[in-house]
Amino acid sequence: DQQVKQNSPSLSVQEGRISILNCDYTNSMFDYFLWYKKYPAEGPTFLISISSIKDKNEDGRFTVFLNKSAKHLSLHIVPSQPGDSAVYFCAASRMDSNYQLIWGAGTKLIIKP
Amino acid sequence: KAGVTQTPRYLIKTRGQQVTLSCSPISGHRSVSWYQQTPGQGLQFLFEYFSETQRNKGNFPGRFSGRQFSNSRSEMNVSTLELGDSALYLCASSLGSFDNSPLHFGNGTRLTVT
Repeated sequence: DQQVKQNSPSLSVQEGRISILNCDYTNSMFDYFLWYKKYPAEGPTFLISISSIKDKNEDGRFTVFLNKSAKHLSLHIVPSQPGDSAVYFCAASRMDSNYQLIWGAGTKLIIKP
Repeated sequence: KAGVTQTPRYLIKTRGQQVTLSCSPISGHRSVSWYQQTPGQGLQFLFEYFSETQRNKGNFPGRFSGRQFSNSRSEMNVSTLELGDSALYLCASSLGSFDNSPLHFGNGTRLTVT
């Protein structure tokens, strides 16, 4: 039972354009969501997070949107740069489970020059 | 500040053997989590330790075990290895104070079981 789903295994975007990565979840008890980025042969690195009390959080070129009614979140990267090519993981947690993270399978983002 | 260090980086073992992986967290971090990553499966949570106690556990068989030492360093052990245990094993540390502090990952140990 996959509680966090990233339905696009890969995404190709032109440099300079917007990249939109999507994530769906099934557990309405999740109250905290995070995005991590992973390069080959490295561990994931934290990118941005959002609490369920918000619907948007912005950090530089990265914005995360949360739609609780649709149980959907998205990560927008504007403008996309070659260094953004990586695998992006969405993760969710519940305060009452000691914030144990449940992860999506990841989306590989490829930025074309 | 040094990051999370995992040793060894690569490991090749035979079915039936056992293996121990090591993780040194960021200084000051008291929580250490372990994850298994296989292609197309994302990160599967194994367990989390805080102050030498297992605080959370994922859905893995008892062949997978871990421990944490008083200096917060952690080890993960897998006994009676199976071919399906071949994966990238990631360790992550955090402050661990129930406040959603982000996880900081090591670069992983790539385990191959033949």
